[in-house]
Amino acid sequence: NAGVTQTPKFQVLKTGQSMTLQCAQDMNHEYMSWYRQDPGMGLRLIHYSVGAGITDQGEVPNGYNVSRSTTEDFPLRLLSAAPSQTSVYFCASTSGTGGHGYTFGSGTRLTVV
Amino acid sequence: AQSVSQHNHHVILSEAASLELGCNYSYGGTVNLFWYVQYPGQHLQLLLKYFSGDPLVKGIKGFEAEFIKSKFSFNLRKPSVQWSDTAEYFCAVNLPSGTYKYIFGTGTRLKVLA
Repeated sequence: NAGVTQTPKFQVLKTGQSMTLQCAQDMNHEYMSWYRQDPGMGLRLIHYSVGAGITDQGEVPNGYNVSRSTTEDFPLRLLSAAPSQTSVYFCASTSGTGGHGYTFGSGTRLTVV
Repeated sequence: AQSVSQHNHHVILSEAASLELGCNYSYGGTVNLFWYVQYPGQHLQLLLKYFSGDPLVKGIKGFEAEFIKSKFSFNLRKPSVQWSDTAEYFCAVNLPSGTYKYIFGTGTRLKVLA
């Protein structure tokens, strides 16, 4: 099925470890983004990309890196995991001029101990 | 500053009760408006959207929303909720309309008692 695929679904990290959350979409969407979801805080934008080779920071970028080498893939890297990064992470994409709403991935639940 | 407010953080209803969830935004220009639903343990799914035209939009599963431009509101309604509507509901605004910029509300957790 077409959509946004995120891996892994669950991950436990130790403080200081690094890892990459994967996100891929097969809808040829130009725009991709990463959000984190925390109780009572809704969705907060981490990083986004408007096309291959173009990325920018969102609301809460510290501690995260992204790259966009292809239209399909938009990985999120945690450089040195901290307990404050315990969260649920969602990747989302949209097409055209961006006014049609997002398609979300199924999420990655990350726990940093 | 541009923002989206959902004033009801938690709502508990009995089955067959009517539902109205509030959403207000602060932005003076043209917007596109969305409601998303997140069932327990799942990702966000689009419930309905408003771009233009009839301010009363109908979505999936019997939900509807009304855009009142003068009040900067886009409230979600359902005449009779079911236990299966238990979920978290997010309002989102695309502003300016047609761009990639979206702002999400903080969500409303709905629990429907059987």
